[in-house]
Amino acid sequence: DVKVTQSSRYLVKRTGEKVFLECVQDMDHENMFWYRQDPGLGLRLIYFSYDVKMKEKGDIPEGYSVSREKKERFSLILESASTNQTSMYLCASSPTRGLAGGTDTQYFGPGTRLTVL
Amino acid sequence: AQSVTQLDSQVPVFEEAPVELRCNYSSSVSVYLFWYVQYPNQGLQLLLKYLSGSTLVESINGFEAEFNKSQTSFHLRKPSVHISDTAEYFCAVSLPYNTDKLIFGTGTRLQVFP
Repeated sequence: DVKVTQSSRYLVKRTGEKVFLECVQDMDHENMFWYRQDPGLGLRLIYFSYDVKMKEKGDIPEGYSVSREKKERFSLILESASTNQTSMYLCASSPTRGLAGGTDTQYFGPGTRLTVL
Repeated sequence: AQSVTQLDSQVPVFEEAPVELRCNYSSSVSVYLFWYVQYPNQGLQLLLKYLSGSTLVESINGFEAEFNKSQTSFHLRKPSVHISDTAEYFCAVSLPYNTDKLIFGTGTRLQVFP
């Protein structure tokens, strides 16, 4: 069964702290993604990765960085947390695109609700 | 650039009533279309998708969506909802040559009352 896990369901941090959000998938997927979900804004892509040690900026990368040292693990890092980063963070993974160009389903983790005080 | 509009942020409905969740998209090129569902305290799950072929696609739990190119819409429908359908529903698009990047709408919260 497909599984994406995130290290914490709920997290509370103070302004200025360094925050690590971890995501692990057990499906041998090449692609991994970090989104944030805010009421009225839907999901917005922060960063994604097509392969180990590769990363690309999404739509809202400011204030975030990522790390992908192993295929199954994709970490989101908040170097200095701020209150406007209080949000739900969702990780997702998908297998490599086929030659026919057909899209592959993204599989989502349960999310981490981060509160920055 | 592509965008997705979900016109209704909340849709309240009684159990066994029909429902339609609206989704419109904007794109100058062909797109792939998706509906994802998020049940309370869970991540998103794919409900159904349109890539090509028949414009009517169905999910295993009774939802269906119809791709309408002329109206740039991909509305989600169910003829009779259950309490268990209470969830947030997200419409999304991707480009055929950049299928890994999904662009999401703002979501519609479906609340089914007994």
